[in-house]
Amino acid sequence: QQQVKQSPQSLIVQKGGISIINCAYENTAFDYFPWYQQFPGKGPALLIAIRPDVSEKKEGRFTISFNKSAKQFSLHIMDSQPGDSATYFCAASRLIYNQGGKLIFGQGTELSVKP
Amino acid sequence: DADVTQTPRNRITKTGKRIMLECSQTKGHDRMYWYRQDPGLGLQLIYYSFDVKDINKGEISDGYSVSRQAQAKFSLSLESAIPNQTALYFCATSTSGTYTDTQYFGPGTRLTVL
Repeated sequence: QQQVKQSPQSLIVQKGGISIINCAYENTAFDYFPWYQQFPGKGPALLIAIRPDVSEKKEGRFTISFNKSAKQFSLHIMDSQPGDSATYFCAASRLIYNQGGKLIFGQGTELSVKP
Repeated sequence: DADVTQTPRNRITKTGKRIMLECSQTKGHDRMYWYRQDPGLGLQLIYYSFDVKDINKGEISDGYSVSRQAQAKFSLSLESAIPNQTALYFCATSTSGTYTDTQYFGPGTRLTVL
């Protein structure tokens, strides 16, 4: 079963625009929600992550919005740049101290930012 | 130098062959993982190991086996490769004892089974 559902599968945004990628999860025990960024030919790398005790986390142009009651979280990329063109994965895990590690990934979103 | 290395980077093999993919890390992490990436399916966990003596099945372990030879080395084997195992394979590492779960991925191995 797919415990983390991600949409859209692909996204095209103009330079300077806002990119929004959404994820929904099923397991209410999840307590850690990271986003990974993957460039062609590279492995994914952590971009930003959030715990459910806050509704928003911002790092530069990247913001995670979290809605615990709706079991949804989203990534917003402000002022999108061509260099942001990559595949983005949301993920979730149950981060019990010293027992975490089983990330469940969404299907991925291929973002293309046009100049 | 890369912290997480995978060998080979590309491999073409035939149905029924035994294949081993290797992963080494210099990050000093205790936890290691093998994932498979398919278009439209994201990353799926095959096996994970929290220390040398701890090996666990992930979401899609059928047809795969692993060996944790040392803290820094974790290999994935396909005992008898089949075409639907054609995919991109990633090794990742993380460390226990923190309240985050950052995983560090290698560059990937592209495997084609003919």
